[in-house]
Amino acid sequence: DTGVSQDPRHKITKRGQNVTFRCDPISEHNRLYWYRQTLGQGPEFLTYFQNEAQLEKSRLLSDRFSAERPKGSFSTLEIQRTEQGDSAMYLCASSPKLTRPGLASNEQFFGPGTRLTVL
Amino acid sequence: ELKVEQNPLFLSMQEGKNYTIYCNYSTTSDRLYWYRQDPGKSLESLFVLLSNGAVKQEGRLMASLDTKARLSTLHITAAVHDLSATYFCAVITSGTYKYIFGTGTRLKVLA
Repeated sequence: DTGVSQDPRHKITKRGQNVTFRCDPISEHNRLYWYRQTLGQGPEFLTYFQNEAQLEKSRLLSDRFSAERPKGSFSTLEIQRTEQGDSAMYLCASSPKLTRPGLASNEQFFGPGTRLTVL
Repeated sequence: ELKVEQNPLFLSMQEGKNYTIYCNYSTTSDRLYWYRQDPGKSLESLFVLLSNGAVKQEGRLMASLDTKARLSTLHITAAVHDLSATYFCAVITSGTYKYIFGTGTRLKVLA
């Protein structure tokens, strides 16, 4: 399967613990995005990378959240000192390199998500 | 700040009926995307609309974009149970690649 993959698919943790999620984008996609989705809501943007550079971060991304994409391939999202409000589905998406400026669709392809439950 | 609203939020309809979901957004954009999400699952891309007047159709679903009205519609023709899901629209504004998602429309098609 050549789609976006995420690991783990489910994570249950106790409040105050640190957690780390991994996302592997579609091969050769240069942009990678993280979103958070709570129950009954639409996904909310957290951050995105172009290659290894983190180009934009949402105000939702507090100091407890950090994301990396060290070699421009897979990405990790770490949450430190988890809180119950962090419980959500964390979605990763990727989009391909622009082949013709102005004509690219910027369509994003989503992974299966990591469901985090903080007890 | 860009806001994206969908209506209705919930839609219960009989099989065989037609209906339209609306997606309004607050600032200029010429790129709009529709996704489907089944319960507990991720997002499946349905349509990419890249210009004013764009219309795309796939099976019983048809999407259109009016950038002047800042409005997109997702029309369902002769609904079937398999279309039951939550539908999201998402918009990109110039200068960024992040999606701003709508509130979602939860569709239930009754047999």
